[in-house]
Amino acid sequence: GNSVTQMEGPVTLSEEAFLTINCTYTATGYPSLFWYVQYPGEGLQLLLKATKADDKGSNKGFEATYRKETTSFHLEKGSVQVSDSAVYFCALSDLYSGAGSYQLTFGKGTKLSVIP
Amino acid sequence: DTGVSQNPRHKITKRGQNVTFRCDPISEHNRLYWYRQTLGQGPEFLTYFQNEAQLEKSRLLSDRFSAERPKGSFSTLEIQRTEQGDSAMYLCASSPDGSGEQYFGPGTRLTVT
Repeated sequence: GNSVTQMEGPVTLSEEAFLTINCTYTATGYPSLFWYVQYPGEGLQLLLKATKADDKGSNKGFEATYRKETTSFHLEKGSVQVSDSAVYFCALSDLYSGAGSYQLTFGKGTKLSVIP
Repeated sequence: DTGVSQNPRHKITKRGQNVTFRCDPISEHNRLYWYRQTLGQGPEFLTYFQNEAQLEKSRLLSDRFSAERPKGSFSTLEIQRTEQGDSAMYLCASSPDGSGEQYFGPGTRLTVT
C-alpha cells in the first residue's frame, strides 16, 4: 500500500535560516504529491503540490520537487520567518489507492518552530 | 466561499454514548472525505463520498461508525457506543475534482471519558 515517511521533529530554527524537511513515499501508481501546513489553532491548508515527476511546486517561498528516481518530495525554504512556525505534512494522492477516491495518505507531520 | 465548516468544534462524551458530527463542504464540491487524526500522527482516511454515494470506507471505520451525505450536500459522521480509543480530531475535507487537492475544515475534537 501507499505510505509517506517524513523527518521527525520538532525542528527549531532561527529566523532567516534555511529549512529542509525530508519526505519520501511509497506508492503503487503514479501519485500526486502535496505539502499541507497546519498553523496553530487552524485547519490543514494546502501549501504546494506537484502532479508528475520533475514538477516543482512552490508557494510563499516554499519549494518542493517531485523526484521519482529517489521517491522524494523534500520541502525547502531559503529564509524562514517566525510566521512559518507550524506543523508540516507531506501527503500523496493516487488514483489506484482505493476506488478512485484520491484519498490522501499523510506522513506523521513535522513541527517547525522559528525563533527570532 | 465560506470554506468547509464542521460542528461541533469540541465534543466531550462519556464512554458508551453516541455522538454525531456535521460537515458542510464548499458548496460546489461534489467530493467529501472524512479523516481521523490522533496526537502526533497525520490524518488517516476514513470514508469518501461522491455526491450522495458513499464509495469507499477504510478498514478503520468499524461497524460503530456510520456516515451519510443526504442529497449530496452536508455530511454526518456518527459514532455509536463510543470508546476511549475513539478520542481524536475528526476532519472533513471537500474537493471539486479528482486531483487530490482537498480543502479541510477546522475539525471536531472528540474526547471520550
